[in-house]
Amino acid sequence: QLQLQESGPGLVRPSETLSLTCSVSGGSMTSSSHYWGWIRQPPGKGLEWIGSVYYTGSTYYNQYLKSRVTIFVDTSNNHFSLKVNSVTAADTAVYYCVRRRMAYDKSGFYGGQNFDYWGQGTLVTVSS
Amino acid sequence: SYVLTQPPSASVAPGQTARITCGGNDIGSKSVHWYQQKPGQAPVLVVYDDSDRPSGIPERFSGSNSGNTATLTISRVEAGDEADYHCQVWDSSSDHVIFGGGTKLTVL
Repeated sequence: QLQLQESGPGLVRPSETLSLTCSVSGGSMTSSSHYWGWIRQPPGKGLEWIGSVYYTGSTYYNQYLKSRVTIFVDTSNNHFSLKVNSVTAADTAVYYCVRRRMAYDKSGFYGGQNFDYWGQGTLVTVSS
Repeated sequence: SYVLTQPPSASVAPGQTARITCGGNDIGSKSVHWYQQKPGQAPVLVVYDDSDRPSGIPERFSGSNSGNTATLTISRVEAGDEADYHCQVWDSSSDHVIFGGGTKLTVL
């Protein structure tokens, strides 16, 4: 059974860099049918997609976060990571690492579809 | 950018049928996915590609999608179905993942 586990600091100072790692166990990261990525959820609010990475290193980012976000993969150690620069209180959220299924949608476009595996989530608070 | 609209809340009595909607412009042309999220837990996929169920998800959970509205239907609702439900699509034109705002389902 595939398992994802987030790790990283729970408190980050404003203007600094948020760094999280997702460890993947029970399966391969080199599947051609899946991306790996991050989703966050501010307290009491909805889900926000941050971005995704393929095992080759190709990335896709939320256009509204793209200037501050980097996602990279280390398949030899079965993990991938997230960095968010210049954080503010608005970046306070539970961060989830996820696996994203790639497939054709009903309109015939090939791309990321649903998220089928999630980590348990880790709360990151931005505060001085 | 593409927007998905969900009612903030819904309520249903045990044993009845709950229907949770997700509205979007021509959403019927997109593949819609639904997640259940209980308090303090990560979301769980309950329906993908409009109406398919992952293994382990009860047949009580079903989905449909047409026109400007997708619907998650939960039959014979149980107390354990009380949760937030989120719809999600991939917008191919912008290559973006879009989530609805979520619907809190209360079992009376």
